[in-house]
Amino acid sequence: SYELTQPPSVSVSPGQTARITCSGDALPKKYAYWYQQESGQAPVMVMYDDSKRPSGIPARFSGSSSGTMATLTISGAQVEDEADYYCYSTDSSGNLGVFGTGTKVTVL
Amino acid sequence: EVQLVESGGGLVQPGGSLRLSCAASGFDFSNYWMAWVRQAPGKGLEWVANINQDGGEKFYMDSVKGRFTISRDNAKDSLYLQMNSLRAEDTAVYYCSRKPPDYWGHGTLVTVSS
Repeated sequence: SYELTQPPSVSVSPGQTARITCSGDALPKKYAYWYQQESGQAPVMVMYDDSKRPSGIPARFSGSSSGTMATLTISGAQVEDEADYYCYSTDSSGNLGVFGTGTKVTVL
Repeated sequence: EVQLVESGGGLVQPGGSLRLSCAASGFDFSNYWMAWVRQAPGKGLEWVANINQDGGEKFYMDSVKGRFTISRDNAKDSLYLQMNSLRAEDTAVYYCSRKPPDYWGHGTLVTVSS
């Protein structure tokens, strides 16, 4: 079955840049979406269609995609950005959804 | 404001059945694909199933195929997940979402245990 691979953890100091990668064979042809999930809460979409930011999401969040890798970048990470982050996309048919393995972002 | 409210979770024995419901409001429900996503305790997000606008197209993850059925009632702005032959590994918080997913409910907990 199709998989999306993320690093288990990313750690940065406040004000630094955090980059979270998501690797998958269908990403050259399918959009990536990114979600932030704080402990015990429902996920919140922070990026869609690779690089579009929903209203209300701070401008320090940006997204990109190149080849088989999508990247979520948090420029000037804040303590409140500590959370689990998941990428999402579909298989090459577009019919089956798949989430990445998840990345825990620590800002300290 | 888009709202998705799940209900129907609870404790069920292995082999049992449960039906989850999701009440949608704040958008034209009949115009959107909908999905169920789950998250086992301490684990990552897992896509479960999608359904198209009129219910004619449905897709499932391999491990629930043949056991779970996604459906919808556009007249009631509601999404459903019928879960049969439940297993311990189906224990999770189940979220209703609007595809891609963009909006999510708060989830309902399903516990499969004897």
